[in-house]
Amino acid sequence: DQQVKQNSPSLSVQEGRISILNCDYTNSMFDYFLWYKKYPAEGPTFLISISSIKDKNEDGRFTVLNKSAKHLSLHIVPSQPGDSAVYFCAASPGANAGNMLTFGGGTRLMVKP
Amino acid sequence: NAGVTQTPKFRILKIGQSMTLQCTQDMNHNYMYWYRQDPGMGLKLIYYSVGAGITDKGEVPNGYNVSRSTTEDFPLRLELAAPSQTSVYFCASSSRRRLNTGELFFGEGSRLTVL
Repeated sequence: DQQVKQNSPSLSVQEGRISILNCDYTNSMFDYFLWYKKYPAEGPTFLISISSIKDKNEDGRFTVLNKSAKHLSLHIVPSQPGDSAVYFCAASPGANAGNMLTFGGGTRLMVKP
Repeated sequence: NAGVTQTPKFRILKIGQSMTLQCTQDMNHNYMYWYRQDPGMGLKLIYYSVGAGITDKGEVPNGYNVSRSTTEDFPLRLELAAPSQTSVYFCASSSRRRLNTGELFFGEGSRLTVL
């Protein structure tokens, strides 16, 4: 039973357009959410995070939204070819978040020049 | 600054063989983790450690063992390799400050195939 789901295995976007990656979760105990980015043959790297009490967090071209029940999304504007990677959504019950991460299956983003 | 280093990067094992995946970090992080990633699936936690001498099971610990004799090193041992252990293994670490944000620092991964 996957508690964190990324229902789109892949997404293709034109350079300069917006990329929207979605994440759904079932466990109501989760109250901290993160996105990790992974290039081939590399480990995941932390991208951005948000707590359940906030509805938006921005970091440059990356914005995570938490406006719907048990759903969050990562927006990349504008998308660049270097953003092509696998993006993992992760969730945690909060305290000592790093010890309790549950990951989704990932979405492969392809940004076409 | 090397970060988290894993060895080997690739390994093929026969069923029943044993091996150790090595992980070392040079960031003086107290917290270390082993994850596995199967195709199309998210990362699943195998074991973690909150400091030297302390380890605990994660979501999928069966078939694995760990030890943490130093802050820097966190080896993962497979005693009797099975095809179900074919996966990519990631070691990660975190500091106390980063832990509360869930930010982990990952190694490049070790791809293990059991035939």
